[in-house]
Amino acid sequence: GAVVSQHPSRVICKSGTSVKIECRSLDFQATTMFWYRQFPKKSLMLMATSNEGSKATYEQGVEKDKFLINHASLTLSTLTVTSAHPEDSSFYICSARETGIFSSPLHFGNGTRLTVT
Amino acid sequence: GQNIDQPTEMTATEGAIVQINCTYQTSGFNGLFWYQQHAGEAPTFLSYNVLDGLEEKGRFSSFLSRSKGYSYLLLKELQMKDSASYLCAVMDSNYQLIWGAGTKLIIKP
Repeated sequence: GAVVSQHPSRVICKSGTSVKIECRSLDFQATTMFWYRQFPKKSLMLMATSNEGSKATYEQGVEKDKFLINHASLTLSTLTVTSAHPEDSSFYICSARETGIFSSPLHFGNGTRLTVT
Repeated sequence: GQNIDQPTEMTATEGAIVQINCTYQTSGFNGLFWYQQHAGEAPTFLSYNVLDGLEEKGRFSSFLSRSKGYSYLLLKELQMKDSASYLCAVMDSNYQLIWGAGTKLIIKP
C-alpha cells in the first residue's frame, strides 16, 4: 500500500529557532501534498497545500512567512517552522494522494509532535 | 458554507455494534472517506464511498446516501482497540477534503 514517511516524529526546540519537517511518499508520486495541524482533542486543520514545482497554497490565517513549504520533487515536501514560539507547539501531519487519482484516499505520515520551550 | 456534522462522542460495549453517523453539506461531491485516528497518532484510511449503498470491509462497513447527504460507519464485534476518533471527510467539487470534527468512540468492557 501507499506509504508516507514523515520525519522527525518528535522534536523539542528552543524559542526562536527553526524546525524542518520532511514528508516523503515512498512508493508513489504525489504532485500535491497537504500539511495539517492538530491541537489536542481537536480536529485536523489544513494549513497549506503543497504543489510540486510551484508555490504552496496557504489557508486563511496561516502565515506563509512563518510556515515555509518547499515541494522540490514528486516525492518530497518540507515544512519549516521559522522562529518557533511556544504557541507553535502542536502535532503536525502531512498527507499525500497519488498523482492524477483524485478519488484515491489521502495517506498520512505518522505526524511530528513539536514542542517549543 | 460547507459543513460536516458527526457526533462528538459515543460509548459502546465490547462485542457490540455501533453506528457513527455523518451528515454533510458541500459544494459538489466527489466521494466520502472515513478515517480512524488513535490518540497521538495520524489518521489511517478506513473506507471510501462515492456511490450510494453499503461497502463492507471486514468488521467495518460504510454506507452512503448522496440524496440525503448522509453516511454512516458501522463497526461490528467491537474490540477495545477500536477506541479511537473516527473522522468523516467529504471531497468537494474541487477535490478538496472537507473534514468533520471527528467522533470519539469509547469502548467499555
